[in-house]
Amino acid sequence: DAKTTQPPSMDCAEGRAANLPCNHSTISGNEYVYWYRQIHSQGPQYIIHGLKNNETNEMASLIITEDRKSSTLILPHATLRDTAVYYCIVRVRDDKIIFGKGTRLHILP
Amino acid sequence: EPEVTQTPSHQVTQMGQEVILRCVPISNHLYFYWYRQILGQKVEFLVSFYNNEISEKSEIFDDQFSVERPDGSNFTLKIRSTKLEDSAMYFCASSRDYGYTFGSGTRLTVV
Repeated sequence: DAKTTQPPSMDCAEGRAANLPCNHSTISGNEYVYWYRQIHSQGPQYIIHGLKNNETNEMASLIITEDRKSSTLILPHATLRDTAVYYCIVRVRDDKIIFGKGTRLHILP
Repeated sequence: EPEVTQTPSHQVTQMGQEVILRCVPISNHLYFYWYRQILGQKVEFLVSFYNNEISEKSEIFDDQFSVERPDGSNFTLKIRSTKLEDSAMYFCASSRDYGYTFGSGTRLTVV
């Protein structure tokens, strides 16, 4: 029942931009794209969300393609503390969050 | 920054015993949730709670589980008769509109 597809793991060098892709080809018009991360068994942490426009906050940028079938989360200057599992989630605004397996991001020193 | 607080951080209990996991959501949040994560597995939805009643629950949330908001600030998850397979991290979350804030979890070990 996964609505999103993410690579199981990725590496990124410390200080470089980490670009995490997500495919959501069956997304509906009223569904948002959310990103959360989980650092080593801590509670998941909200990062960013968007509907169709690109979004940026203090943590990351979210780039959504014009057809909304895929998106990319960008961590502009990755640090070792960004090592985590990153979850891309598609949901209607008031619906519950369902977590998939996410992408395990390793930041390499 | 406001936080969701969960207590205890660790709980060890004997099989068949009742446990209550406690959560203090963010004060102006309206929606409350419990999730669990068995070691090495995905974070799984258990139940959502709004306006003093359960709004949705998963198949995992059977008759052994119950939730309560007893005093307007605490939000509790009770497991009536614990089984070995209930061993997991349990996360509480609250939200007001778009983003959930999760607590740091309670690690429940059933022996």
